[in-house]
Parts: sequence; structure tokens; C-alpha cells
Amino acid sequence: DAKTTQPTSMDCAEGRAANLPCNHSTISGNEYVYWYRQIHSQGPQYIIHGLKNNETNEMASLIITEDRKSSTLILPHATLRDTAVYYCIVRGLTGANSKLTFGKGITLSVRP
Amino acid sequence: EAQVTQNPRYLITVTGKKLTVTCSQNMNHEYMSWYRQDPGLGLRQIYYSMNVEVTDKGDVPEGYKVSRKEKRNFPLILESPSPNQTSLYFCASSKLPSTDTQYFGPGTRLTVL
Repeated sequence: DAKTTQPTSMDCAEGRAANLPCNHSTISGNEYVYWYRQIHSQGPQYIIHGLKNNETNEMASLIITEDRKSSTLILPHATLRDTAVYYCIVRGLTGANSKLTFGKGITLSVRP
Repeated sequence: EAQVTQNPRYLITVTGKKLTVTCSQNMNHEYMSWYRQDPGLGLRQIYYSMNVEVTDKGDVPEGYKVSRKEKRNFPLILESPSPNQTSLYFCASSKLPSTDTQYFGPGTRLTVL
């Protein structure tokens, strides 16, 4: 079972920031938060991951709450090409816990 | 260019006719895995391999076989396909299984009649 809960869908205007929430209240101390996205039946694409500090890369920012029970993926300037299903995944370091388990994700629709 | 390739990309076949979907990566990754994706069920792992000659079952291995004779290749074999194996299949690879990023192939859409 996926260890995360996400809203089913959301939308945002092109050029605005898209803030995608994720709850992972049962996350343990050595588990990371990963985000992938899948654009229209293409292979999933890695976006970003973090443990407890906020992270930023060329694609997005990841904000993890201090208690680590939730996080937010931020796409700072959404474009139409960012329309996709976004998966928030909790993943451990070893063994079965290190497997990527995809839930249903959140469908982000970016409108012109 | 670093990539994971799959062939064929689309396949329509009939029940019982053995088929192989190939997967190859050019990144010298140790870890490779296969997923299937079905509407409403998300991506589910079929098999994975930690290195050459080391394979293990994922969540939905029934009806599938894999082999890992070389590091770069990880074919998925359906000995006797059935209609419930109609699905979208993805191969993925990574350097290590734990914290490293998994790179996914473009997908193979299989229809079994």
C-alpha cells in the first residue's frame, strides 16, 4: 500500500506557481520523500527527493514540514508541458522498503 | 545519451503465443525492474534485478519471467500470454536500488486478444 495521500486533482494557471501537497503521516526517520511525474502514458520522470531539509533543483522545490508528516512540491512557474500526474512516494534505504511504490498520484492540469 | 530503451513499443498478440519485451540501458546500472500500469491500479512492480544473474519477484510476478544475463539487458518474457496481461509496461534502471534515481523507459503497450 502507498504510504502517502494526495488530492486527486488540481489545476493552476500557466506562469503561476503550482503547489502540490502530500501527506505521509506514518513516515519513519530513515525514509525519503520522492516525487515523480508521468506525462500522458510516458515513462515516469524523477523530479526531486528529500529527507528533512527543503530541496531545490532546476525543476522544482520540495518543502518538507518539520515533523515530516507532509510535504509540498512547488513548480515555480508552471507551463502547459507540466500537465501530468504527479506521484509522491515515501521510500526507505534498504530491502523491501526501498522499492518505489506508486499510488494514484495527483493530476495537475495547467490552463492557459 | 543516457537512456532506457524498450522494444517493441506496441504489440498486439493472441492468447498463448510466447513473447519477449526487451529492455536495455546504457548507464551501467546494477538495478533494473519491470512495472505494469493499469487504469485505477497505478504502477505495480513485476520483477526486479539487483545485478547480473540476481532476480526477484515484485508485487505481481505471476505469468511473467525475466532474465539478467548481462548488466545492460533485462528482458520480460510472457510464456503464455493471457488477456489479463494486456497492459502498459515500463522498464526502469538505477545505480543502486535504495536512494538513487530510477530512470524509466518509454513504455510498451501490450494487447493480448
